[in-house]
Parts: sequence; structure tokens; C-alpha cells
Amino acid sequence: QSVLTQPPSVSAAPGQKVTISCSGSSSSIGNNYVSWYQQFPGTAPKLLIYDNDKRPSGIPDRFSGSRSGTSATLGITGLQTGDEAVYYCGTWDSSLSTVAFGGGTKVTVL
Amino acid sequence: QVQLVESGGGLVKPGGSLRLSCAASEFTFSDYFMSWVRQAPGRGLEWVGYISPGGTNIYYADSVKGRFTISRDNPKNSLSLQMNSLRAEDTAVYYCARTYLSIVLPPAAIYFDSWGQGTLVTVSS
Repeated sequence: QSVLTQPPSVSAAPGQKVTISCSGSSSSIGNNYVSWYQQFPGTAPKLLIYDNDKRPSGIPDRFSGSRSGTSATLGITGLQTGDEAVYYCGTWDSSLSTVAFGGGTKVTVL
Repeated sequence: QVQLVESGGGLVKPGGSLRLSCAASEFTFSDYFMSWVRQAPGRGLEWVGYISPGGTNIYYADSVKGRFTISRDNPKNSLSLQMNSLRAEDTAVYYCARTYLSIVLPPAAIYFDSWGQGTLVTVSS
């Protein structure tokens, strides 16, 4: 069971927006930065968002991140078929002294 | 472009040992924290541990503490994971990942900005 809670799946039509939630605690998301990763089947994860809302070079601005309280959200606008993947949130848990990941959310483009 | 290439995976019996390697290139390896992250078949990501740039600070997940050892050879741009007393639940794809880490003062930050392609470790009799 993951320290961070994500919905197993979300879906939307092409061009629409999806949001993926990541719920934690005061010792994890509540006081530490969140990162997000995209993973296609059979490939390594890729960093999408770090420090809650920053995008690495090369990541389109269709991807956005935010944090409020003990939860974080990844948003994907202008949804494309190429966005179909599993998305993971991650952070440091200060109480457990460990890296915490969410269980992953599969995005389906209808 | 950062390159990380893992090797050393394979089939091993429960209780056995295996050593994974990660060859790094196209960045100054000795400047960065490095981590191992694993993913069991059909499951999510699990952090295994990290090592500081100089190799003096190493931290492990509870699930592998006492069984796994992370080390690095900076002149050779190489990261290693020695895995002993392997269990079936250690079966996973193991990724090495370049790591940004700042956890001394809150808010802590840790993220993995480059990943290798992964190497599969299967623990089975």
C-alpha cells in the first residue's frame, strides 16, 4: 500500500483536460516538494514536474502541477493520444524518512 | 544528453546474491546524488536507496536495509547495487536514477531527473 494515494485511472476525450490527485499527509506532501513522473509501458519513468509546479526543459506547458495542503494535483490540458501513460507522484516523507510514491494513475484518452 | 545504462540483472534463487551496475555518461557523475528505484511486475515505483556525490552518505529503504549495498566509483562513472539474501518480493525492474536531493531543512525536495532503461531481476527457485 502506497504512502501517497492516487486514483487508479482517469479518462477524457482528446483536447480535454484531466487532473490527477495525489493525497498525502503533513509529513509528506504537507511540508515537502512534490514531483510527477510519466511512464509508458515497458519504458523508464520520465520527470514531468518537480518542486510542486516546475517543468524540466522540454516538458510542454500542457502539463502543470500544484499543491494545496496535503494534496497535489497534476493537470494535463489539450489531451493527446500520446499522453496515454501511467503517472506517478512522489515526495519525501519526513516521518518515515523515505521517498514516497503514489500507486500510479493510468490516463486513458477516449 | 544524460545516459544511464544498467546491467547485471538476471534470474537468481531465493537467498542468492546479485550485483547490478549503472554506467553513467554525458554529465559530471561526481556532482550528483544517485538512486536506485525498482518496480515489481505490474506494480508501482519503489525507492531502494540513494548515495551522496562523494559516496559517504548512503540511505536505504527499510525493505532492503541490511541486505542491499549501494556504492559508486566516481573515476569510473559507475554506480552499483549489491543485493544479498534475495527474496521473491525483490523481483523487479531496477532503475538507476540521477537524483536531486535536499532534505536537511523543510521543505525537503527529492526528485529523479534522469533514468536508465532498467534491468530485470527475477528471484525464483
